[in-house]
Amino acid sequence: AQTVTQSQPEMSVQEAETVTLSCTYDTSESDYYLFWYKQPPSRQMILVIRQEAYKQQNATENRFSVNFQKAAKSFSLKISDSQLGDAAMYFCAYRSHYSIQGAQKLVFGQGTRLTINP
Amino acid sequence: DVKVTQSSRYLVKRTGEKVFLECVQDMDHENMFWYRQDPGLGLRLIYFSYDVKMKEKGDIPEGYSVSREKKERFSLILESASTNQTSMYLCASSFSYEQYFGPGTRLTVT
Repeated sequence: AQTVTQSQPEMSVQEAETVTLSCTYDTSESDYYLFWYKQPPSRQMILVIRQEAYKQQNATENRFSVNFQKAAKSFSLKISDSQLGDAAMYFCAYRSHYSIQGAQKLVFGQGTRLTINP
Repeated sequence: DVKVTQSSRYLVKRTGEKVFLECVQDMDHENMFWYRQDPGLGLRLIYFSYDVKMKEKGDIPEGYSVSREKKERFSLILESASTNQTSMYLCASSFSYEQYFGPGTRLTVT
């Protein structure tokens, strides 16, 4: 079974600075997806960024980028130029590439609460 | 935009009551999911459904059941609520790799 671990329960950063959230995972599969989801206070969870395991290039979405290290099974999220609206719970998640029944489920990490200091 | 709605944001029930949590999505997605979210544990999958009337157990199905009679609606049922089922419940739907989440129902069982 796959597992996802986020070892930082809480992080804080000054507004406009850069912060990196860590995530490690364990799997025996070679093809899969990795995601970072954001859950703002009292608001719905939304997808921030995704990475396909077969792609060597790290995914980027505006101020959000990932450092995907497949051999090390590491998938960190970097937020540049942090803004007050980035304050949220961030979850790392894993999904198998295969689309057989049951394989579309996400396995989540424990979450990291990010605080932005003005 | 995909919209996933849940019937209640906050719910308080008594031990032993039967509880229904409803989830509706408006994008004709085949897949729907129920998770519970607890501090320090992240989200854990309770049940999911890949088609009408089809369901699969997730990682923590004990004490729960589900119903999917229509494609857009997926219900989570607590047959006899217990205090250890006090939690945040999140519904999600998907067509491919991305899951779209509802706002969550914070259930308190007293």
